[in-house]
Amino acid sequence: DAKTTQPNSMESNEEEPVHLPCNHSTISGTDYIHWYRQLPSQGPEYVIHGLTSNVNNRMASLAIAEDRKSSTLILHRATLRDAAVYYCILRDAGWGGSQGNLIFGKGTKLSVKP
Amino acid sequence: NAGVTQTPKFQVLKTGQSMTLQCAQDMNHNSMYWYRQDPGMGLRLIYYSASEGTTDKGEVPNGYNVSRLNKREFSLRLESAAPSQTSVYFCASSERNSYNEQFFGPGTRLTVL
Repeated sequence: DAKTTQPNSMESNEEEPVHLPCNHSTISGTDYIHWYRQLPSQGPEYVIHGLTSNVNNRMASLAIAEDRKSSTLILHRATLRDAAVYYCILRDAGWGGSQGNLIFGKGTKLSVKP
Repeated sequence: NAGVTQTPKFQVLKTGQSMTLQCAQDMNHNSMYWYRQDPGMGLRLIYYSASEGTTDKGEVPNGYNVSRLNKREFSLRLESAAPSQTSVYFCASSERNSYNEQFFGPGTRLTVL
């Protein structure tokens, strides 16, 4: 399975943008890049995903490098509620066998200071 | 819609006892999953069910059994609990499409003494 590398922790100030990096140098052509986050004492929740092009939704933006070996999750204005562990996950596009399952690493713990 | 529900929320067992964790989803999803999360770690997949009537092992299946009772329900059974199974257990469901957005339950915090 393709692996991702994320910093263990990051800090941000409230109402400032946050850029969460993820390296995935062994990504294959059929791997989607997914981001989930886990608020304290809750289950993970989906944030965003992409394949090649940058993506935007109401929660965040995903910037994908041209060679797809890295990506960045962008929170445009961090709030205290964004303090969570953010997971960058590669998921194979196929559905045979275990393909398509999510493999969680340790993620990046984001702290937001008021 | 309640989404994904799990019962119980908390449980304490003695070594060797058995129990079943229940999970149900009301989103008509085909796929369901059981994960465990140990302190400071990411989630690890125990078992999954790609569709009703099928189950498959994930990364850490030893010591667990599962039953996909119907499309809505997916239970996880510990036949003889061990302290190493002390963890937080999450159930999730998804549709098997390119998004595979998984929806997670609130978790069950299990302690085995």
